[in-house]
Amino acid sequence: DAGVIQSPRHEVTEMGQEVTLRCKPISGHNSLFWYRQTMMRGLELLIYFNNNVPIDDSGMPEDRFSAKMPNASFSTLKIQPSEPRDSAVYFCASTEGTSGGRRGETQYFGPGTRLLVL
Amino acid sequence: SQQGEEDPQALSIQEGENATMNCSYKTSINNLQWYRQNSGRGLVHLILIRSNEREKHSGRLRVTLDTSKKSSSLLITASRAADTASYFCALYNNNDMRFGAGTRLTVKP
Repeated sequence: DAGVIQSPRHEVTEMGQEVTLRCKPISGHNSLFWYRQTMMRGLELLIYFNNNVPIDDSGMPEDRFSAKMPNASFSTLKIQPSEPRDSAVYFCASTEGTSGGRRGETQYFGPGTRLLVL
Repeated sequence: SQQGEEDPQALSIQEGENATMNCSYKTSINNLQWYRQNSGRGLVHLILIRSNEREKHSGRLRVTLDTSKKSSSLLITASRAADTASYFCALYNNNDMRFGAGTRLTVKP
């Protein structure tokens, strides 16, 4: 398997623009997670899905952020409008189980999308 | 929700030496995992230790868990330059999961 695939790998945009990040989880995995990583705040869980259904979005910073998972092999994280403070590395991860990682299933991370909002 | 606190924040050692990183937490956990992150990459799972386990080994890695002290340690023996990375502990309990801030390990050749 190719592992978790994310695109784009790098994104530079201007404040106010819409940004869409994409993730393809490992085939057969039932849970998908979106994380944001910054030097100041470390690794933050934004949202996770079980069987394509959003389970916990309490980590989503504000209404400018939205995430969808239309099918088992694709998810998007959208920021509209983007702001400079959204600059970070965004990771997608997937696991085989449906407990959202709460049973400690190994999470498989993608390479991340490095976002810079000017 | 609770987050593990890694200690130290940064560690620099010579190749061949052992590296020890610690993770402390405040409330009970079901299990704890250690992950490694190379610069510019995603996190990679290293080892999982359950709350009823005290020690686990995987190659040059040794993880201990002391639930009475609410702490875990990751020991890397005979370190190599390729071990240079950030190491994170992830805490799992019934309701939540969180990653710590990480320890940045530098192994000098």
